[in-house]
Amino acid sequence: GAVVSQHPSWVICKSGTSVKIECRSLDFQATTMFWYRQFPKQSLMLMATSNEGSKATYEQGVEKDKFLINHASLTLSTLTVTSAHPEDSSFYICSAREGQVNYGYTFGSGTRLTVV
Amino acid sequence: QKEVEQNSGPLSVPEGAIASLNCTYSDRGSQSFFWYRQYSGKSPELIMFIYSNGDKEDGRFTAQLNKASQYVSLLIRDSQPSDSATYLCAGETSGSRLTFGEGTQLTVNP
Repeated sequence: GAVVSQHPSWVICKSGTSVKIECRSLDFQATTMFWYRQFPKQSLMLMATSNEGSKATYEQGVEKDKFLINHASLTLSTLTVTSAHPEDSSFYICSAREGQVNYGYTFGSGTRLTVV
Repeated sequence: QKEVEQNSGPLSVPEGAIASLNCTYSDRGSQSFFWYRQYSGKSPELIMFIYSNGDKEDGRFTAQLNKASQYVSLLIRDSQPSDSATYLCAGETSGSRLTFGEGTQLTVNP
């Protein structure tokens, strides 16, 4: 089945620094990838849709200048949290879909970000 | 009104019983529905998806979709302690966007 690899699994950074998270589709090409954020005891909230070769589409309320998304190839999307603050601490998860209707969305293993 | 709502938990069932998880959605444009299982601290794992009215069975799992009632459910037969997790219902709308419910925490007691 489809595999989505996400790195790093966890990261601790100082307030004001930037953190890059990578999401790779290992055995399929993903023209579209999705980035979610999940706070403790809450569900997944879609942050943005990453489109290969074009600008990402951000959900309402998500700062595009703070959460930079790059989808430079059919197998790699990156999310950079710029000038991170403690309130950005969360579980960030990417997902992609292989094929069309007959396949579900596969999620990466997630990145636990802690900003201190 | 939330786009996707799940029955409030937590839900506790004895081992071997049937666990019933329910979900309603408000957007009639939603085309497909997905059930994910999420263990604490882990990312969601796809259990199954459904896009046609009726039942869809996969092993111990059965998904049911009723578009007229805007209702989706997941039945887990012969529940096992390893099924204890949070179950997330998600609806897919135009643009391949997934909207998740809040999740239902299931505990299967040995």
